[in-house]
Amino acid sequence: NAGVTQTPKFQVLKTGQSMTLQCAQDMNHEYMSWYRQDPGMGLRLIHYSVGAGITDQGEVPNGYNVSRSTTEDFPLRLLSAAPSQTSVYFCASSYHGTSGGDYNEQFFGPGTRLTVL
Amino acid sequence: GENVEQHPSTLSVQEGDSAVIKCTYSDSASNYFPWYKQELGKGPQLIIDIRSNVGEKKDQRIAVTLNKTAKHFSLHITETQPEDSAVYFCAAMGAGNMLTFGGGTRLMVKP
Repeated sequence: NAGVTQTPKFQVLKTGQSMTLQCAQDMNHEYMSWYRQDPGMGLRLIHYSVGAGITDQGEVPNGYNVSRSTTEDFPLRLLSAAPSQTSVYFCASSYHGTSGGDYNEQFFGPGTRLTVL
Repeated sequence: GENVEQHPSTLSVQEGDSAVIKCTYSDSASNYFPWYKQELGKGPQLIIDIRSNVGEKKDQRIAVTLNKTAKHFSLHITETQPEDSAVYFCAAMGAGNMLTFGGGTRLMVKP
C-alpha cells in the first residue's frame, strides 16, 4: 500500500491564481480530510468527507473547495490564491467508525508546501 | 467547538531524561485523544492514543494519562533518545470524527 499520497510537494502561486492540490489513498478509508499547518498553530481542519459524494466544512474552509467523487481521491481547490493561504497542507484518511471505536487512527500524507506571492 | 491547548511549546532535555507534554481540552464530549509525532519534512504519525474510558496507556518508553474530570491529558517519554527529537501534537476528537489539534511541542533531546 502506498498509503496517503499528495501532489505536488511544493508549489508557488501568484495572488489570484487557482490550483488543485491532489490527495489519494489506497486503504479504502471512508473518511478523508484536509488540514493546514501554520507555525505555532498546530493543524487546522479545512474540509472533510465521510464518504464519496459527502463533504463538509471544518474550522477554516473559506477560500477552499473540495469534492469527493471516488473513495480514493479528495482534491482541494484554491479558487483565487491569497498570501494568507501560504501554508503546509496535509491530507489525512481513516476508517469512519463511531467515535471511540477501533478505527479512528488518521493516516497523514507527506504534505504540500504552498507559497502565495 | 473544541479548543486544545498544549504546553510547553519547546522542550529541551538531556538524553536519558524524561519528557512530559501536557494538553487541556474544552469539550467534555470529546472521547478520543491521540498523540502525533512529526519529523522534519514529513506528515504527522500516530504514536499513541487513549480513549475516554481509560486513565492510562503505556507502550514501551511512551505513556499517556487522561484526567477526564480536569479535562487534561499528558504524554510521558522516558529514557529519551536523540531520535525522539521532533514536534509532538496532541489532539482531541469530538463530534463527527473531527480532530482538534494543540499547537505543538518541539522536543529537542541533547546527546
